[in-house]
Amino acid sequence: GQQVMQIPQYQHVQEGEDFTTYCNSSTTLSNIQWYKQRPGGHPVFLIQLVKSGEVKKQKRLTFQFGEAKKNSSLHITATQTTDVGTYFCAGRWSWGKLQFGAGTQVVVTP
Amino acid sequence: EPEVTQTPSHQVTQMGQEVILRCVPISNHLYFYWYRQILGQKVEFLVSFYNNEISEKSEIFDDQFSVERPDGSNFTLKIRSTKLEDSAMYFCASSEAAVGAGGLVETQYFGPGTRLLVL
Repeated sequence: GQQVMQIPQYQHVQEGEDFTTYCNSSTTLSNIQWYKQRPGGHPVFLIQLVKSGEVKKQKRLTFQFGEAKKNSSLHITATQTTDVGTYFCAGRWSWGKLQFGAGTQVVVTP
Repeated sequence: EPEVTQTPSHQVTQMGQEVILRCVPISNHLYFYWYRQILGQKVEFLVSFYNNEISEKSEIFDDQFSVERPDGSNFTLKIRSTKLEDSAMYFCASSEAAVGAGGLVETQYFGPGTRLLVL
């Protein structure tokens, strides 16, 4: 079935460093969303990307959607302790359900 | 800010018992969802609901599961005869949804979840 693969599974980052998490689909997506889940919390919507090659920024977070609409990335600059959590991408193909990736669990070391 | 609410926050039940998980979606939303997340794993889609009927369901959503919108505000997930492997966090979500180029475009708002433990 249709899946989104997300890497890395874990990311240990020193405070102040940058990191990137990647999401890939073998087939073209209609759109992709990113969520953040704090430890013990629920997924919180961050952004939705719809257009080929789209780039959106939210403060220190930069989201990209590939030209072929098969991959996406989330780049966080100058990581802070508040960035701790698991970041999920969720892809959609046309009218179907959102398919969540496995998530990247981010641990920030002060 | 409007939010999705879920009750109870925690539920412990014996294997074979029926449980009903309750959700109150955001009031003007039309699309409703149930997801589950086994501890430490990814969020898994169970079912979507629109216009008083199921629009899509996953292979997890077998005959033991059912959903209902009994009164126009609540959205419930019933598990008829719980199994040990049903232990998980269950999230309800809702969205307004919209039609975009190539398909459904929406923002889903998740509730805080119900942690179900089957003993």
